[in-house]
Amino acid sequence: AQRVTQPEKLLSVFKGAPVELKCNYSYSGSPELFWYVQYSRQRLQLLLRHISRESIKGFTADLNKGETSFHLKKPFAQEEDSAMYYCALSGLGGNKLVFGAGTILRVKS
Amino acid sequence: GAGVSQTPSNKVTEKGKYVELRCDPISGHTALYWYRQSLGQGPEFLIYFQGTGAADDSGLPNDRFFAVRPEGSVSTLKIQRTERGDSAVYLCASSLTGNSGSAGELFFGEGSRLTVL
Repeated sequence: AQRVTQPEKLLSVFKGAPVELKCNYSYSGSPELFWYVQYSRQRLQLLLRHISRESIKGFTADLNKGETSFHLKKPFAQEEDSAMYYCALSGLGGNKLVFGAGTILRVKS
Repeated sequence: GAGVSQTPSNKVTEKGKYVELRCDPISGHTALYWYRQSLGQGPEFLIYFQGTGAADDSGLPNDRFFAVRPEGSVSTLKIQRTERGDSAVYLCASSLTGNSGSAGELFFGEGSRLTVL
C-alpha cells in the first residue's frame, strides 16, 4: 500500500531561519515524489518533483530511498512561504497521487 | 479558460438528497481526477478518467458515488442519498497526460465545498 506521512501539522519559524518540512513514505516499488503547496485563498499547485531535481522558490527536496524520506528544505524562510504544504507519492508511471495530511508553515517576522 | 473550473463552489444539502458537482478541466487535458478533502486531511483520491472512460475508480467509497465524463471534457461527480460524512471539499484536477508521475503535473480547481446537514 502507498502511504505518505507528514508528522508535523504546524511548523512555525522566524523569517530568515532554515526550514525543513518532513515527509516519509511507504511504497514497495519505485516512487515518484512531489511537493504541492496551497497559499492562502489560492488553489493547490505543484511546487516541485523529485525527478526534476530542481530548486523552486529556494526550496529543494532530495529523495532518500534508504530512509524513505523526501523532506522539503529552504535555507532562509521568507514570510511569503507561509502556506500549507503537501507531500505526495505516485508509483512510477502511476496515474494517481497519494497525499499526506499536510503541514502548515508559518513564517513570523 | 485559465484553469480548472468547478461548480458550485459551495453546496449545502440535507441528508438523503442527491447532489451533482461539475468540473471543467483545462482545454486539451486528457486526464481528469476527482479527490475529496476532509477537514485536517490531505486530498484523497476518488476516481481518474483518461478521455471518456474511468481508468481507475478504486477510490470511490461506495456505490452512492458515481462520476461521468461523457465527451472527454467536462465531468460530473454524482452523490446519491447523501450522508453527513460526505461533507468535504471535492477537488477536481486535470493533466495533459494520464501519468501523474514524471510526465504529468496535476492542475487543481478551487474545489466544491459540500455540507450535508
